[in-house]
Amino acid sequence: GNSVTQMEGPVTLSEEAFLTINCTYTATGYPSLFWYVQYPGEGLQLLLKATKADDKGSNKGFEATYRKETTSFHLEKGSVQVSDSAVYFCALSDRSGGYQKVTFGIGTKLQVIP
Amino acid sequence: GAGVSQSPSNKVTEKGKDVELRCDPISGHTALYWYRQSLGQGLEFLIYFQGNSAPDKSGLPSDRFSAERTGGSVSTLTIQRTQQEDSAVYLCASSSRPEAYGYTFGSGTRLTVV
Repeated sequence: GNSVTQMEGPVTLSEEAFLTINCTYTATGYPSLFWYVQYPGEGLQLLLKATKADDKGSNKGFEATYRKETTSFHLEKGSVQVSDSAVYFCALSDRSGGYQKVTFGIGTKLQVIP
Repeated sequence: GAGVSQSPSNKVTEKGKDVELRCDPISGHTALYWYRQSLGQGLEFLIYFQGNSAPDKSGLPSDRFSAERTGGSVSTLTIQRTQQEDSAVYLCASSSRPEAYGYTFGSGTRLTVV
């Protein structure tokens, strides 16, 4: 079956540091890949997505590139802010049993300190 | 509506009572998921509805849990004879084309069983 593996965290960075959160996946088909963000006390929000190999998703300064050869979708940001403190979930959507099914990673908590 | 609406936002119930949680997805979204998120944990898949197809109930933790989706729109998650381990945030998400657009999540229902 499909699976998503991401670093467990927590990740603690100083403001303006470079961020990488690793995500690798296993899928039987050709999945779409997503990053979701959950700010404290809120629900999940879609952060960015990529629907095919070599696509780059980007939003709010975050980027992730769909790498089929390494089955990865690592999240990066060049300069994090305190307001980026949240839990980040990597996810894939793949066709299974006739419909799209979503698999989430366990989430990585990011804490940015001033 | 403009987003996925869940009600109630908070529910405190006594052990052994039944509870109903409601999800009102975005109009026209055929795919609907229920997830459970325990404190500090990732997302636990519960059940998936896609259009008029039979739901995928493989994630329901016990026969005390059930869900229905009436008319392809509103969904209700019912927990019978609640236990303390049922305490969690229950999240609902919907989509029109998951592989292209990802999912839109509601803000969740925080269930506390005392």
